[in-house]
Formats: sequence, C-alpha cells, structure tokens
Amino acid sequence: AQTVTQSQPEMSVQEAETVTLSCTYDTSESDYYLFWYKQPPSRQMILVIRQEAYKQQNATENRFSVNFQKAAKSFSLKISDSQLGDAAMYFCTGGSNYKLTFGKGTLLTVNP
Amino acid sequence: DAGVTQSPTHLIKTRGQHVTLRCSPISGHKSVSWYQQVLGQGPQFIFQYYEKEERGRGNFPDRFSARQFPNYSSELNVNALLLGDSALYLCASSSGGLAGVTDTQYFGPGTRLTVL
Repeated sequence: AQTVTQSQPEMSVQEAETVTLSCTYDTSESDYYLFWYKQPPSRQMILVIRQEAYKQQNATENRFSVNFQKAAKSFSLKISDSQLGDAAMYFCTGGSNYKLTFGKGTLLTVNP
Repeated sequence: DAGVTQSPTHLIKTRGQHVTLRCSPISGHKSVSWYQQVLGQGPQFIFQYYEKEERGRGNFPDRFSARQFPNYSSELNVNALLLGDSALYLCASSSGGLAGVTDTQYFGPGTRLTVL
C-alpha cells in the first residue's frame, strides 16, 4: 500500500522565480515509481515528470526537476523560471502494482 | 495522434439510476485505468484493465464495474447511483506491457457526473 502526503495546500510564486513543492510518501513496495502531475483549470491531467525509485539520479525535464530522497521518503518538485502557464493543481503521485496513488494536491498560483 | 478520449463530457443522473462512461485509449496502448476525483481531492484508483482482463481494483463497492473491449476501449458502469458518486471520472491509458511495473499513465479530459 502507498500513501502520499502533500503538506502545502496552496503556494504562490512570482513569474520568473523558482518554487519548490513538497511531498512525502510511504510504501511497502520495493518496486515503485513517483510522478508529478499537473491539472490546470481546464482539468486535463498532464504528466510533468517521472522518477524511477531504483535510480539515484534526480529526474529533470526542462524547467522542472525533482529532489528524490529515498531514505527520507521525500519527493519534491522544483519549478525554475516560473511561467503563467505553470499555474495549476500539482499532484504528487506514487505508482506500484499498476495503480497510481495521488496526494491531495498543491494549488500553485503564478503572479505576473 | 489523438490522446485519450472520454464520453460524455458531462452527465446528470438521479439517485438509484445507472450510468455508463466510455473511454478510448491512445492508439497502441493496451491498458486502461479508471479514477474517481471528488471535488477538491486527488483522484482515487477504481480499476485497471489490460488485454480485457482486470489487473487491479481499488476500494470501491461492487456497484462499480468495468470492462475492456477487443479494441482496448473501456466502459465504466455504476449502478444504484448515490449522491456521493458525484465526481469527475478520469480514464488513463498506458502501454501496459510491463508486468508488475507502473507504466506512465496518460489521462483523458474526464466525465463530470452529477447525481441529484
């Protein structure tokens, strides 16, 4: 079983600045993946970034990067050079045994 | 290439009725998953199907059922609707070929179900 906890219900950032969204997880699985998904107001869930738990190297995708601390069960998302289009609900997500377990989400506001 | 499609976009039902939601996966994907997203919450896993077989089930009552067709499209059925079933129902597809491993799942736009 997995649990995913996002302790920041809301965050805000100025355009062009950097913001970090926090996430902790717990799992009894040895083989699992971690994801960040974003859900803009239009509601389509979009994959932001994916991290394989067996990899020590942190995943990066352009302006998005993660800080994966396996021993601490921490998986934070850093967004650099924030853009207005980054405004959305961000879900930290754990994946194992074919299913995804979502946190409650962090609503990110980007201020111009 | 078309992404995951879902129909209908919106649906209004009354308590006790039955509803069928439909999903077409990305071309080449063989696995479909269903999630329920109540307003203000993260999605909750309902089912995953791969090659027409149920591969995973979440903690939902037997009123919820699903099936997958030979073309890999899928239906989610909910019987005896309750007010609490009002939610956004999301479908996600993945290639599904790696046993025991969670493939990246790609989501459709969802069906908004309102139960009155």
